[in-house]
Amino acid sequence: QSALTQPASVSGSPGQSITISCTGTSSDVGAYKYVSWYQQHPGKAPKLMIYDVTDRPSGVSNRFSGSKSGNTASLTISGLQAEDEADYYCSSFAGGRMVFGTGTKVSVL
Amino acid sequence: EVHLLESGGNLVQPGGSLRLSCAASGFTFSTYAMSWVRQAPGKGLEWVSAISDSGYSTYYADSVKGRFTISRDNSNNTLYLQMNSLRADDTAVYYCAKDSLLRYFDWSLDYWGQGTLVTVSS
Repeated sequence: QSALTQPASVSGSPGQSITISCTGTSSDVGAYKYVSWYQQHPGKAPKLMIYDVTDRPSGVSNRFSGSKSGNTASLTISGLQAEDEADYYCSSFAGGRMVFGTGTKVSVL
Repeated sequence: EVHLLESGGNLVQPGGSLRLSCAASGFTFSTYAMSWVRQAPGKGLEWVSAISDSGYSTYYADSVKGRFTISRDNSNNTLYLQMNSLRADDTAVYYCAKDSLLRYFDWSLDYWGQGTLVTVSS
């Protein structure tokens, strides 16, 4: 059960936009709409930011958006803010199980 | 307000057993699927197991299949994870989390507990 592949780190200046990729296979990301993104600050529990590829839970800023093309999902953070500095994980349903991505550390320069 | 509180984490020797509990409040527990997710120190998230709202359907990661058992008590709003034959690589913070979709799996986890630490070491 291999983890989904994410870049180890992504950085940007305040106000900029960044995109984090999440690459899976035709058995997980490419097969289902059940792709989610989570934000985790140090020492804290993860927080759901995007579900079902593109949907935002109530209370999550519209600066966060999700998309998918083939076996790769993406999370875009627009108008980057200092509070966005955190680890981000994607996840996908993979037929009777769930798989997380390797995680991406977002740094705000 | 949704609240999930894990307990039961401890130091245990390799080969030992432990049962984790997750007390839920603030929502109708019996109508949502639940999951356990773990995070080894300094590492990423790893999904461990999931259970349907009724408890009828259960799912496991290959890494724990045959060793861990997920269950729930809907009358007491509590989720459990029985962990047997523990190994050093089971050392992690274990989180319980609620699925976002009423009565079905969406495989997105909208509320998480703060976690409980399990350390497997001699």
